[in-house]
Amino acid sequence: DTGVSQDPRHKITKRGQNVTFRCDPISEHNRLYWYRQTLGQGPEFLTYFQNEAQLEKSRLLSDRFSAERPKGSFSTLEIQRTEQGDSAMYLCASSSNLASENEQFFGPGTRLTVL
Amino acid sequence: DAKTTQPTSMDCAEGRAANLPCNHSTISGNEYVYWYRQIHSQGPQYIIHGLKNNETNEMASLIITEDRKSSTLILPHATLRDTAVYYCIVRLTLPWGTASKLTFGTGTRLQVTL
Repeated sequence: DTGVSQDPRHKITKRGQNVTFRCDPISEHNRLYWYRQTLGQGPEFLTYFQNEAQLEKSRLLSDRFSAERPKGSFSTLEIQRTEQGDSAMYLCASSSNLASENEQFFGPGTRLTVL
Repeated sequence: DAKTTQPTSMDCAEGRAANLPCNHSTISGNEYVYWYRQIHSQGPQYIIHGLKNNETNEMASLIITEDRKSSTLILPHATLRDTAVYYCIVRLTLPWGTASKLTFGTGTRLQVTL
């Protein structure tokens, strides 16, 4: 399967702990997005990379959140000192830089539960 | 990006056409209409997009009104596997090499029944 993959699929942690999620985009895609989705809501944009450069961050991305894409391939999203309000599905998507390919391909998500 | 309005939920009998409406009365001239869907416990999936002409692909058809203030996604022969939340998104598609984020609303929950 050459789609977007995310690891882990599920994470349960205690409040105050740090967690890190990984996203592997489709190999030829240079754009990578992170979204967060809470129950009953649509996904909300968090941040976006073009190659290794982080070009946009939502105000939802507090100081406890950090995302990296060091080699322009996979990306990590770290949440420090987790809070119960961080419980959500974290979705990663990738897309090509070709103007004719505007769709974003989403991974299956990482479901975070903060106890 | 312009805001969209969709019904919260809809039902459709299997084999019938599912017509999902979307209002986007504040859409601007350079904004496209995109449709994604999200099947339970999966990430969203792209369906189709258009600017002002009607579009069709292997999954669905998109009908955009002449004034572009509303659109309808048509699944011609709905199956049980089409049960999902369908999101209508209005989005800038920028010139070559530039991307923009997707702004999702709460979508329409389509239930396809036997």
